[in-house]
Amino acid sequence: SQKIEQNSEALNIQEGKTATLTCNYTNYSPAYLQWYRQDPGRGPVFLLLIRENEKEKRKERLKVTFDTTLKQSLFHITASQPADSATYLCALEEMNTGFQKLVFGTGTRLLVSP
Amino acid sequence: DGGITQSPKYLFRKEGQNVTLSCEQNLNHDAMYWYRQDPGQGLRLIYYSQIVNDFQKGDIAEGYSVSREKKESFPLTVTSAQKNPTAFYLCASTTGQGEETQYFGPGTRLLVL
Repeated sequence: SQKIEQNSEALNIQEGKTATLTCNYTNYSPAYLQWYRQDPGRGPVFLLLIRENEKEKRKERLKVTFDTTLKQSLFHITASQPADSATYLCALEEMNTGFQKLVFGTGTRLLVSP
Repeated sequence: DGGITQSPKYLFRKEGQNVTLSCEQNLNHDAMYWYRQDPGQGLRLIYYSQIVNDFQKGDIAEGYSVSREKKESFPLTVTSAQKNPTAFYLCASTTGQGEETQYFGPGTRLLVL
């Protein structure tokens, strides 16, 4: 069966350190993968999209890698700040109907302490 | 400001009652989606619509209904057949052209009295 796995345990790190979050998937062959940020009681907000032919993508302090052999994406936040504390969701596209549908992971909660 | 609005922010449902959640977008997007979010389960797709007057069931459509009479609006009705409606409901939209980000509304939290 198809599955997307993100670490359900919260990740606690100290301010200034690099946070690394993992997204593993099975039985998908996505053309791209997305990462979203969600704050408590609010809707997710898009952060980055990485395509299957891209190894790495960066945006300011954010970096995403995509390894289609390992079926894994890593999401890095460098020089983390308390304001980065949130839940981060990965999402894969599912194109079996010829129309974009996203399948979301359960998310990993990041807590950055001062 | 372009975006998606959802109302109400909190909604209470009594036993046997149907309730309707509103979702409006002014992004001129063709595609709209409804998700349900439960703790520890991520987002699950309820219904989606590619164009006006057309919609398809998602993974957990039972107990829900939708309509898409206008491009801007995609209301979700939680019927009395939905036995466990307590959840956080999110509406999203995209242009429908593929490989794109989804824009989400602020969500509606539905609670059962």
